[in-house]
Amino acid sequence: TAGITQAPTSQILAAGRSMTLRCTQDMRHNAMYWYRQDLGLGLRLIHYSNTAGTTGKGEVPDGYSVSRANTDDFPLTLASAVPSQTSVYFCASSPISSTDTQYFGPGTRLTVL
Amino acid sequence: GDSVTQMEGPVTLSEEAFLTINCTYTATGYPSLFWYVQYPGEGLQLLLKATKADDKGSNKGFEATYRKETTSFHLEKGSVQVSDSAVYFCALSDRDGGFKTIFGAGTRLFVKA
Repeated sequence: TAGITQAPTSQILAAGRSMTLRCTQDMRHNAMYWYRQDLGLGLRLIHYSNTAGTTGKGEVPDGYSVSRANTDDFPLTLASAVPSQTSVYFCASSPISSTDTQYFGPGTRLTVL
Repeated sequence: GDSVTQMEGPVTLSEEAFLTINCTYTATGYPSLFWYVQYPGEGLQLLLKATKADDKGSNKGFEATYRKETTSFHLEKGSVQVSDSAVYFCALSDRDGGFKTIFGAGTRLFVKA
């Protein structure tokens, strides 16, 4: 079982360009999440989706958008990248059960110049 | 709002030493508490969890007890190994917070042979 896959693994992007980070899960989990990880700040939630067709804003949503057309895919789009969006991005999913455990992808390292 | 505070790192220990990483939390409801571990170049993975007061989570020799009276969930291991070198994140998930997970900043552990 693959779990969660993310693409690309890493990317260097010019400021002002757009980019979509891809995330796919094969566990049929209802909920999916996007986090950014910055040194000293831990993980901060960008957007989340509790079920296909719904999305919500997390702690740091500005400059990012998401969609959830089906259960498996949860892409994150940067419409016009800025250097402060340089970070490592993690996608995660959870079954929405009493356990609340999240399962993480391997991450995408994004550098905006 | 909900928050998690964990001890700053890095923590450097010799192999077979005793490990404690402190974690305290603030929550409005009755959260579930987690420790996640991130090995170099990988995403986070669940290490252990506890869902109610006085529960003890354990896995791979690590333990943590949910202490409601001190709002703490300290991570301990009796004898660390070089392979335990990683970043450890304390986290909470609160039903009143819509099951969104709040992460601490992370504590990096180095174990020397």
